[in-house]
Amino acid sequence: DAGVTQSPTHLIKTRGQHVTLRCSPISGHKSVSWYQQVLGQGPQFIFQYYEKEERGRGNFPDRFSARQFPNYSSELNVNALLLGDSALYLCASSPGSSLSYEQYFGPGTRLTVT
Amino acid sequence: GDSVTQMEGPVTLSEEAFLTINCTYTATGYPSLFWYVQYPGEGLQLLLKATKADDKGSNKGFEATYRKETTSFHLEKGSVQVSDSAVYFCALSEGAQKLVFGQGTRLTINP
Repeated sequence: DAGVTQSPTHLIKTRGQHVTLRCSPISGHKSVSWYQQVLGQGPQFIFQYYEKEERGRGNFPDRFSARQFPNYSSELNVNALLLGDSALYLCASSPGSSLSYEQYFGPGTRLTVT
Repeated sequence: GDSVTQMEGPVTLSEEAFLTINCTYTATGYPSLFWYVQYPGEGLQLLLKATKADDKGSNKGFEATYRKETTSFHLEKGSVQVSDSAVYFCALSEGAQKLVFGQGTRLTINP
């Protein structure tokens, strides 16, 4: 079975632009979470979606938004990009919303803002 | 709020050496504790976990014991291999939807 897939792999954007990152969960998984990993730091939680509803939100500005589609794939959108948004964005999927389920992480999308 | 502190890296060892990576946490309740590993170019993989005090998580020769009295979850391995070279993250969750990660420890094993 395919693991969690993310696209694109790498992305370069300019300050002020908008970006959309995509995630396809493992087949059968209904929960998707997004994390931001700045170079040299641990991942920080951005959002969790389960059955197309937002179940959790981290301490990120409203420029960050996400949604989950009926096929359980997800998009993370970031508006008005700042230099500080440069990071590896990780998507994780799991069968349910509780962390009693193992989270499976994708390889990430490397975003560079110039 | 909840937080995780790991020993600073990078850590460099010779093959077959004993490994310890320290992890301590701060939480208001009784969190579950995790160790994740990130190999170059790959996503995070769950290495082991423990859900209550005195539980020992183990996998692939790695072990960690949930110590409530010292709020610690140190990762150990008796004999490391070159293939263990990676970045290791300690994390916690208090039943909410999010994992809280430490800053990561880069481990390099020389043959």
